[in-house]
Parts: sequence; structure tokens; C-alpha cells
Amino acid sequence: QVQLVESGGGVVQPGRSLRLSCAASGFTFSNYGMHWVRQAPGKGLEWVVIISYDGSNKYYADSVKGRFTISRDNSKNTLYLQMNSLRAEDTAVYYCAKGSSGIVGATYFDYWGQGTLVTVSS
Amino acid sequence: DIQMTQSPSSLSASLGDRVTITCRASQGISNYLAWFQQKPGKAPESLIYAASSLQTGVPSKFSGSGSGTDFILTISNLQPEDFATYYCQQYNSYPLTFGGGTKVEIK
Repeated sequence: QVQLVESGGGVVQPGRSLRLSCAASGFTFSNYGMHWVRQAPGKGLEWVVIISYDGSNKYYADSVKGRFTISRDNSKNTLYLQMNSLRAEDTAVYYCAKGSSGIVGATYFDYWGQGTLVTVSS
Repeated sequence: DIQMTQSPSSLSASLGDRVTITCRASQGISNYLAWFQQKPGKAPESLIYAASSLQTGVPSKFSGSGSGTDFILTISNLQPEDFATYYCQQYNSYPLTFGGGTKVEIK
């Protein structure tokens, strides 16, 4: 069955960096686009970024553009999110989610990981 | 950006009830609409895609309808495991956007 396991969360000071990972199994990772979605404490869901099956296409939310970078290693079945210049408002649980297709257009989420908490605080 | 508006933001219902949640998009999104369920402290789970298609393994008590700008999620025969927060989300265009959520509570 599909499994997505995030890691790398923790407490980090404002302005510092953190890298999240999402280990995928149970499907052919290299065939599907992948997303990061976040949820601030007590708030709703916010889509962050998508990467296509081969890493050639990426779209970012304006709130993270220029600070966050998504990447993937299809040989390791792993998705990454490099987060730089972190701000207090980036505090959230970060979920990776599998896309329904390999491309970035008209793709919905079908499976979600359990999430990893990132806390940005001095 | 496409704004997604859910109503109500919360509702109280009894076991066995049928409830409906509405979701409105600020512009037409065809049927590129998904619904998710989230229980406290847990990750969201995908329920419906393409406005009315059930994800694998989702019981038929959940149903979705709508197209364009107006969508509905219906939950029949409410059971204890259905009390949760429900979100709609459009995937017609980037940035992908979610509704604010509807919390379904026990009356």
C-alpha cells in the first residue's frame, strides 16, 4: 500500500534553514507528481508546492517562493523540501501528498503522509 | 487566485443524520474539485475527486456533486467516525487553494 513518511521537522530559529524529506513506498514514485501542503496550528490547509514526476516542472505558493525549494531523488524514492530564511509564519505541520498523475496540470492529491512539525521560534 | 468558500464553518448533527456542506469557487473550475476529511491530530484523507468520484476505499455514504462554481458534499447516516473537519480544494489552476473547512460535531 502507498506509504509516505515525512521527517526532518523540528525547532529552528527565524532566518535559519531546514530540510524536510518524504520517503515514498508502495507505488512507482518516479511516475507521479508530488506536493507539499502545510497546516499552521489550529488553522486550515495551505498548499505549498508541486514537483512533476521528473522534476522538470515546479509551482510554488507566493508565500514561499524564493525561500523554499522542492526536489526529488527518484533513485531513492524520496521527496525533499529545502526551507531557507524561515519565518515564524512558516510554523506548521508539513505534509507530503502524492499527486494523481505525473504532470502538474489538473492533478489532485490521493494519498497523504502523517506530517512533520516545523516550529520557527527564537 | 481562486478563492474557495465553504459553508457552514461548523455544524452539529446527530447519529444517523444526513448533512450537506457547500463549497463555492470564486470563478469556474469545471469539476476540478476535491474533498478531504481530517480528524484531530491526524493527516487529511482524500474522499472525493473530480467533484463526484470516490477515492478508493471511501464508503458510498459520502457523495459529491456540482460543477463550475458550486459544489456539495453529502454525508449520509452519520456515524461517530464521521465527526471531523472537511475541506474542499480546487485543482483547476495554481496556486491550489482550499476552503476554510467545515467542522462536523456531535449534537
